[in-house]
Amino acid sequence: ELKVEQNPLFLSMQEGKNYTIYCNYSTTSDRLYWYRQDPGKSLESLFVLLSNGAVKQEGRLMASLDTKARLSTLHITAAVHDLSATYFCAVLPSGTYKYIFGTGTRLKVLA
Amino acid sequence: KAGVTQTPRYLIKTRGQQVTLSCSPISGHRSVSWYQQTPGQGLQFLFEYFSETQRNKGNFPGRFSGRQFSNSRSEMNVSTLELGDSALYLCASSLVFQGPNYGYTFGSGTRLTVV
Repeated sequence: ELKVEQNPLFLSMQEGKNYTIYCNYSTTSDRLYWYRQDPGKSLESLFVLLSNGAVKQEGRLMASLDTKARLSTLHITAAVHDLSATYFCAVLPSGTYKYIFGTGTRLKVLA
Repeated sequence: KAGVTQTPRYLIKTRGQQVTLSCSPISGHRSVSWYQQTPGQGLQFLFEYFSETQRNKGNFPGRFSGRQFSNSRSEMNVSTLELGDSALYLCASSLVFQGPNYGYTFGSGTRLTVV
């Protein structure tokens, strides 16, 4: 069974601190996606990682992909309150058009 | 540029009824996918369509069905509604050949409540 696991599930952190969200997946895939979801809202695309070693950064967020370890990380640098949301990673298994989503990480940044 | 449009935004139905949800993809996008989001099961894939053909289907009972029209608009139907069908239903679209490179763009969703 294809699985995408994220940890932690919940993360409460102080503003200005750094932290990393981990995404492990069990299927063979070179394509990993990160999305953000605010309460009651839809999913917003953050990063698309398409190859081993891919690293992308946007503001205080940086995502990386290690396809050999089947691991992606989303690193938060100097968190601010506006980053509070739920973050999902998703894998697009080779030969399919369906995302397998992780469980999500609910991030709360405390002022 | 208009995004993915889903209608209605909110819906309340009674057990046993059926419901139809609509999705208009971004102009030019021909691949449309549907996902169900619940607190207990998270985000789960329902089906994906391209050129009016279903290419992938998730593990949902036959009560869940969908279709895509020639203008790429898509509908999903749930018959004989159960309480457990209460969820946020999200539609996503992408350019066919660029989908994997850009990911899917999601609509705002339809919040279905079954009472």
